[in-house]
Amino acid sequence: DAKTTQPTSMDCAEGRAANLPCNHSTISGNEYVYWYRQIHSQGPQYIIHGLKNNETNEMASLIITEDRKSSTLILPHATLRDTAVYYCIVRNGGIRTGANSKLTFGKGITLSVRP
Amino acid sequence: DTEVTQTPKHLVMGMTNKKSLKCEQHMGHRAMYWYKQKAKKPPELMFVYSYEKLSINESVPSRFSPECPNSSLLNLHLHALQPEDSALYLCASSQSGTLRCTFGSGTRLTVV
Repeated sequence: DAKTTQPTSMDCAEGRAANLPCNHSTISGNEYVYWYRQIHSQGPQYIIHGLKNNETNEMASLIITEDRKSSTLILPHATLRDTAVYYCIVRNGGIRTGANSKLTFGKGITLSVRP
Repeated sequence: DTEVTQTPKHLVMGMTNKKSLKCEQHMGHRAMYWYKQKAKKPPELMFVYSYEKLSINESVPSRFSPECPNSSLLNLHLHALQPEDSALYLCASSQSGTLRCTFGSGTRLTVV
């Protein structure tokens, strides 16, 4: 599986967009990019995933560069409740992973949303 | 029902005790997972079950014994644990063939 690199931490002001970068320069053609977050003392929460097209859902947008070597998770209007550790994970297969599928978490990026 | 329920939420056990952690989901997910998370560290995968069969064991010590009695339940049996096994134990589930996982809130285990 491709490794990912994320900054250790970042902060943003409440109400502003939070742009969380992730580098995955060794990603291969059939690897998906997943984003999860973990709010303190809770289990991780799925946010979004994509292969090569940009994706948007009710929580966030995922922008993947054309060469797929990096991506950005965008929280359009950050709130205090978005303060969490955000994990970028690259995983083979995505939709058709079969029995031997697993999510491997890296260190993630700690996002602090300030009032 | 879109949740993964873990019980108990907190557990304190001695090194000679036997205890079990329980995980339940009713979303029809056929893949279920156990993760272990130490303080200020990312979750680490322990086991993966697919269609009630163990498909991945990440070289976990035998004092941790998983069990999947049916498609909705996942247990983790604990025996002769060490204090360093104290951690948050997370259960997750997903549709088979996807890594869009739903996680429980975890069981915080303390071994004394």
